[in-house]
Amino acid sequence: GESVGLHLPTLSVQEGDNSIINCAYSNSASDYFIWYKQESGKGPQFIIDIRSNMDKRQGQRVTVLLNKTVKHLSLQIAATQPGDSAVYFCAETPFGNEKLTFGTGTRLTIIP
Amino acid sequence: SQTIHQWPATLVQPVGSPLSLECTVEGTSNPNLYWYRQAAGRGLQLLFYSVGIGQISSEVPQNLSASRPQDRQFILSSKKLLLSDSGFYLCAWGQGGNQPQHFGDGTRLSIL
Repeated sequence: GESVGLHLPTLSVQEGDNSIINCAYSNSASDYFIWYKQESGKGPQFIIDIRSNMDKRQGQRVTVLLNKTVKHLSLQIAATQPGDSAVYFCAETPFGNEKLTFGTGTRLTIIP
Repeated sequence: SQTIHQWPATLVQPVGSPLSLECTVEGTSNPNLYWYRQAAGRGLQLLFYSVGIGQISSEVPQNLSASRPQDRQFILSSKKLLLSDSGFYLCAWGQGGNQPQHFGDGTRLSIL
């Protein structure tokens, strides 16, 4: 969904616990989805992506789940560490589109 | 490997002054290039994108313009800055075709 003008939701997680960050999208033509991590004062950093022909993809300590039926995307971070504290954005685009639409962003805080 | 450079990292400008922010990409050819603005605590708003030299698409009406004089160079400009132009400006590159965009570390622009 559109992110401009919306305040960031927040999520606080104890260090070592797993975290789940959610994202809803509205475009039924969305075909490609990305999660980014943005640390304070820096640009967004690519974490993991998934195409619409998959419903799950795993990386190092991260898993992205895609539910096209309800247009929902989630990012799971296992065994969270202090360095995971950041703002996380989802982004999506229809097939072949040159532009990404970014979600609102979620601020994740890891509690030591 | 590919790298993206933005400068300056921070900039303080008076209202009515001109602006030129530069972004260059290394290690790839014919990239798509993007300029985003991010207000504090907000998501990313796409301002301009370019799929080739001299090709600029503007996403929102505004006081800014963009140019792409070389394949891996993208410039954001203004003739007269407004207070509302303050923000965090991010440049990104991508190869389209459902691949991630990769961001620079941004320029924080303050207008006084």
